[in-house]
Amino acid sequence: SQQGEEDPQALSIQEGENATMNCSYKTSINNLQWYRQNSGRGLVHLILIRSNEREKHSGRLRVTLDTSKKSSSLLITASRAADTASYFCATVPPGSSNTGKLIFGQGTTLQVKP
Amino acid sequence: NAGVTQTPKFQVLKTGQSMTLQCAQDMNHEYMSWYRQDPGMGLRLIHYSVGAGITDQGEVPNGYNVSRSTTEDFPLRLLSAAPSQTSVYFCASRNGQGVNSGANVLTFGAGSRLTVL
Repeated sequence: SQQGEEDPQALSIQEGENATMNCSYKTSINNLQWYRQNSGRGLVHLILIRSNEREKHSGRLRVTLDTSKKSSSLLITASRAADTASYFCATVPPGSSNTGKLIFGQGTTLQVKP
Repeated sequence: NAGVTQTPKFQVLKTGQSMTLQCAQDMNHEYMSWYRQDPGMGLRLIHYSVGAGITDQGEVPNGYNVSRSTTEDFPLRLLSAAPSQTSVYFCASRNGQGVNSGANVLTFGAGSRLTVL
């Protein structure tokens, strides 16, 4: 079964607003990653947060991690039309460090209206 | 630096036909993998390789075959295509260098859309 579950499945906002998407996972993790996928394209790595970190920033992205609740959130501030994409969280299954194996959530589809 | 290159981008097959999806990377990454993406399912791991000559099964390996004769190439073979294999397939390689070393950060190809009739 999928390690990560994301909500909402779809999100529609106006340009300039903030977008928040959430990810829950089932087992212990070493790190959690977020990826973006533009329509018809491959996934692009956005940000990684390690299990000993609670919050991380990269430009307009802010990621939080709560290992006690097994959940993470991705906040995109001051959204732009170009942020329209699907966003996926991904975790490393137990015992799979340094293998490249990832388990992905089902994704949140974000639409930013100009 | 082309990254991860997948061919073909689109393919239509008839049930029972065979084909190979090609994947090549020029980043000297040891790890490569194949995922399939279906609506509402996210990405699921088919097969992966941690180096030349070494392959292993992922979550959904049935109906697929892989080999890794070189570091650069990791082809995915469908020996007898079935409609259930209609999907978008992504090849990925692992960046094991730098600050994210060991963290399984993946670089993805652009995808191959396969339809099996």
